[in-house]
Amino acid sequence: ETGVTQTPRHLVMGMTNKKSLKCEQHLGHNAMYWYKQSAKKPLELMFVYSLEERVENNSVPSRFSPECPNSSHLFLHLHTLQPEDSALYLCASSQDLGAGAFQETQYFGPGTRLLVL
Amino acid sequence: TQLLEQSPQFLSIQEGENLTVYCNSSSVFSSLQWYRQEPGEGPVLLVTVVTGGEVKKLKRLTFQFGDARKDSSLHITAAQPGDTGLYLCAGGRAGGFKTIFGAGTRLFVKA
Repeated sequence: ETGVTQTPRHLVMGMTNKKSLKCEQHLGHNAMYWYKQSAKKPLELMFVYSLEERVENNSVPSRFSPECPNSSHLFLHLHTLQPEDSALYLCASSQDLGAGAFQETQYFGPGTRLLVL
Repeated sequence: TQLLEQSPQFLSIQEGENLTVYCNSSSVFSSLQWYRQEPGEGPVLLVTVVTGGEVKKLKRLTFQFGDARKDSSLHITAAQPGDTGLYLCAGGRAGGFKTIFGAGTRLFVKA
């Protein structure tokens, strides 16, 4: 148990569906992240929020829409996805952004396994 | 282009064997982390190394940061089935908040 929860754990959706992924952290952290993990590829950073403000949108298609209503919750809204969007979507949090000399420790949730048909 | 190359991509060994996995880059990092990800879970931090040449030990795991801070290795002594998982290295740069991840080494330890 890392203190970061994600729901749902598994999701199957058609290309015309709209769904949302939810992430909640119970660690009192100020920064939250969405990553995409595909087989044999490095984790891809999608979005970063610090104190509820988006600080990074890493060239992610507009069919992915993040929302951070407060420092404990992060959502990823999905619409008109493509089959190549099938992957494990990981949420993470860290105490702060870690823009100093060293990396912050990121605490990951278990992920949502997404399959787009 | 991957900034962090991990090798091997996959490793299957018998319980009790020793192994080393590598994380290499042409870029300098201010710090480097190793995470382990078990099936059905997210990555969990094992260690952070920050000084060139630094060696850290965590029970049977030994982590080393290269002198030039461009590479790192993870050595496991007497591997156990509980060591099975995906080992990810991740690099950070001073003044930046992005962490660069490698694609990982998937380790399977057979009983």
